[in-house]
Amino acid sequence: KAGVTQTPRYLIKTRGQQVTLSCSPISGHRSVSWYQQTPGQGLQFLFEYFSETQRNKGNFPGRFSGRQFSNSRSEMNVSTLELGDSALYLCASSLAPGAGANVLTFGAGSRLTVL
Amino acid sequence: SQQGEEDPQALSIQEGENATMNCSYKTSINNLQWYRQNSGRGLVHLILIRSNEREKHSGRLRVTLDTSKKSSSLLITASRAADTASYFCAPIIQGAQKLVFGQGTRLTINP
Repeated sequence: KAGVTQTPRYLIKTRGQQVTLSCSPISGHRSVSWYQQTPGQGLQFLFEYFSETQRNKGNFPGRFSGRQFSNSRSEMNVSTLELGDSALYLCASSLAPGAGANVLTFGAGSRLTVL
Repeated sequence: SQQGEEDPQALSIQEGENATMNCSYKTSINNLQWYRQNSGRGLVHLILIRSNEREKHSGRLRVTLDTSKKSSSLLITASRAADTASYFCAPIIQGAQKLVFGQGTRLTINP
């Protein structure tokens, strides 16, 4: 079966712009989590969606938002981009929400560069 | 903190040698997961070990868990160039809402 698909894979934006990233989970997976990865901060949890509801949110400013659609596909949006938002954004899907014994399946990521 | 801490931060060995990475954590856990990340890509789940298990094998991977010492180790035997990657552990506490990752161990396999 198809894996987790993230689009776009690479994008370049300038400060002040906004960006939308998309994630299609594995078929049957209803939970989608987002992570930001930077060399300095490592992997940081952004938020998790399940059944179109945000279940959990990391410590990020309100410029970072997301949503999930009825088909479990998810998008995240970053508004008013800052240089520090340059990162690899990873999406991961799982059958159920929460950590528990869930195994996350990650996409290849979206590499965002803010100039 | 739920986060695991991997040690060493970086490890460089010759192809064919064994590689051992360690993970320490602070709280009681339900299980612990290991993931691998090739450069610039997403993470790939390697293995999950439950708190009542002491050792688990998967191909060339062997994971041990010592809950009394709150530590786990990942052993890769007969390493290959393709094993070059970063390795992350994720301790899972009961009721945890999300997986939290540390900085990982960056493993380099030299030909």
